[in-house]
Amino acid sequence: AQSVAQPEDQVNVAEGNPLTVKCTYSVSGNPYLFWYVQYPNRGLQFLLKYITGDNLVKGSYGFEAEFNKSQTSFHLKKPSALVSDSALYFCAVRDNGGSQGNLIFGKGTKLSVKP
Amino acid sequence: GAVVSQHPSRVICKSGTSVKIECRSLDFQATTMFWYRQFPKQSLMLMATSNEGSKATYEQGVEKDKFLINHASLTLSTLTVTSAHPEDSSFYICSARPLLRRLSETQYFGPGTRLLVL
Repeated sequence: AQSVAQPEDQVNVAEGNPLTVKCTYSVSGNPYLFWYVQYPNRGLQFLLKYITGDNLVKGSYGFEAEFNKSQTSFHLKKPSALVSDSALYFCAVRDNGGSQGNLIFGKGTKLSVKP
Repeated sequence: GAVVSQHPSRVICKSGTSVKIECRSLDFQATTMFWYRQFPKQSLMLMATSNEGSKATYEQGVEKDKFLINHASLTLSTLTVTSAHPEDSSFYICSARPLLRRLSETQYFGPGTRLLVL
């Protein structure tokens, strides 16, 4: 079965420090991986995706993610965190077993950036 | 670009009534729209997938007669919660996948609809 794991319920970082939000995946076939961010009472905003190509993917708001096939990981990173980055982050993988291309989401990681 | 809207953003209704939620892709056509449900502090759970002009595909455990989905056009899908009960209270989020090939791998999400059934 295809799945996504986000091992941390919450990540706390100080403003200005680098941040990492972890994600590992399990899929059959080629992985299509995504990161989304959700602010309180809002829908999800697309940050970035890996389909093919360079393992380092750059996305919105200064975020990037590194696809690591051997470790089956797709960790989200940012060199210098902002207080406004505080939100809920979801990693997702496309369900290659289905015909509709729906996404399978991790349980989410709450990022808290303190001044 | 790639904006998805949902209406209403929040609805409070009495138990037994039906509620319709609209999901629109504003600046693109969507081959497929997805409906998710999110409980507090939890992830999104896919409820159903709708394709324009055909019947929706429901996930296991989701009652198709209770959660009616209509995908009338390439820019509009509706979810109707029929005979709503308090346990249906949740945050409902839709997403749309663009028809345009180069964008088709990405889903774009609406802002969500908060449903509270009294």
